[in-house]
Amino acid sequence: DIVMTQSPSSLAVSAGETVTINCKSSQSLLSSGNQKNYLAWYQQKPGQSPKLLIYLASTRESGVPDRFIGSGSGTDFTLTITSVQAEDLADYYCQQHYNYPLTFGSGTKLEIK
Amino acid sequence: ELQLVESGGGLVQPGGSLKLSCVTSGFTFRDYWMSWVRQAPGKTMEWIGDIKPDGSNTNYAPSMKNGFTISRDNAKSILFLQMSNVRSDYTATYYCVRDYGGYLDAWGQGASVTVSS
Repeated sequence: DIVMTQSPSSLAVSAGETVTINCKSSQSLLSSGNQKNYLAWYQQKPGQSPKLLIYLASTRESGVPDRFIGSGSGTDFTLTITSVQAEDLADYYCQQHYNYPLTFGSGTKLEIK
Repeated sequence: ELQLVESGGGLVQPGGSLKLSCVTSGFTFRDYWMSWVRQAPGKTMEWIGDIKPDGSNTNYAPSMKNGFTISRDNAKSILFLQMSNVRSDYTATYYCVRDYGGYLDAWGQGASVTVSS
């Protein structure tokens, strides 16, 4: 199984600041065939189901604000949230969709000061 | 509006069985792979497995193979998860999820399952 390691486990920022969440996979998620990275990011607000934010490492899901930016390649990926808003209070998870079984990171809890 | 609504959760004794259902609407169910994902309290998500659009093939996480069976009824747009010989570590919220090439683009609200005597 591909192991996904996320950091930090939690962070607290003030509204308007920029946040960076890291995700590292135990093997490359880059397909040699199409040069795409099979990495997704999800947001889970308190008491809610997860919501897809980003797939293929950097493609924003329809309706997701452009302050959510996915980047990275191979084994190292980043979710950047620029100008954090109070509504971004949530847990964030990365997930590899390169091969079976699909596996998730341990999550990052974002708190707003 | 796309909807996935799970039902069938509740309290089950260790060693017992439970079948979850997920009624879907707002998209052409028979065209999509579907997955089940669970989340134990305070933990990250665990992918259980998925099922091909026509129901002819399923894939499971190795740790889930012996306790779970995924099936579907395309005529009624319903996804199922049969849980058997449940253990206390099966206590979790179980999500029905639309699977689009391995990324999970639509989630139900979840069904809570508690395994306890």
